[in-house]
Amino acid sequence: GENVEQHPSTLSVQEGDSAVIKCTYSDSASNYFPWYKQELGKGPQLIIDIRSNVGEKKDQRIAVTLNKTAKHFSLHITETQPEDSAVYFCAASTHAGGTSYGKLTFGQGTILTVHP
Amino acid sequence: DAGVTQSPTHLIKTRGQQVTLRCSPKSGHDTVSWYQQALGQGPQFIFQYYEEEERQRGNFPDRFSGHQFPNYSSELNVNALLLGDSALYLCASSHTLGNGANVLTFGAGSRLTVL
Repeated sequence: GENVEQHPSTLSVQEGDSAVIKCTYSDSASNYFPWYKQELGKGPQLIIDIRSNVGEKKDQRIAVTLNKTAKHFSLHITETQPEDSAVYFCAASTHAGGTSYGKLTFGQGTILTVHP
Repeated sequence: DAGVTQSPTHLIKTRGQQVTLRCSPKSGHDTVSWYQQALGQGPQFIFQYYEEEERQRGNFPDRFSGHQFPNYSSELNVNALLLGDSALYLCASSHTLGNGANVLTFGAGSRLTVL
């Protein structure tokens, strides 16, 4: 089955700096890669996702890049703010045909701390 | 528009007991997936329900079972609880067909403690 490795496990940055979190996956059939942010006491919240037909996607201060050949994808957060502090998870899944299978395989998570 | 709602938010059980967790999906969603998140870990897929049937299952024993009702809400049942079942149980809903397929919306979870 799919295996997703995420690094680093903890990341500490100063406000205004950039943060990068990297993930690798094992199943070459995976074609959907979401990133989730989880704050204390809450469920994971989707912040950005990318499908395999795209190499990069950006949404304001957040961007995701995908290298299918190397089977890795990364989350980039620019101009970090204290409210970005949370646990971030990458995930991978296979979208088969026209239906959703919703089986995400998650990484172990990265605790991001942004210091004011 | 309410998102995914789960109940109860917290519960404590003892070993050997049984537990039922409940989930109401986001409006417009027809598919419910359940995940187990141990402390400090990423969520792990338990199973997924669509059209009242289990469509996919992760690597969890038969003690874990579920149900989906005609209104798309779902229950997760765990029998013969073990200490290792202590975790946050997350429900996620999605829409199976069309644009946005595979995009999961998670609830806040049910925190289960087994003593």
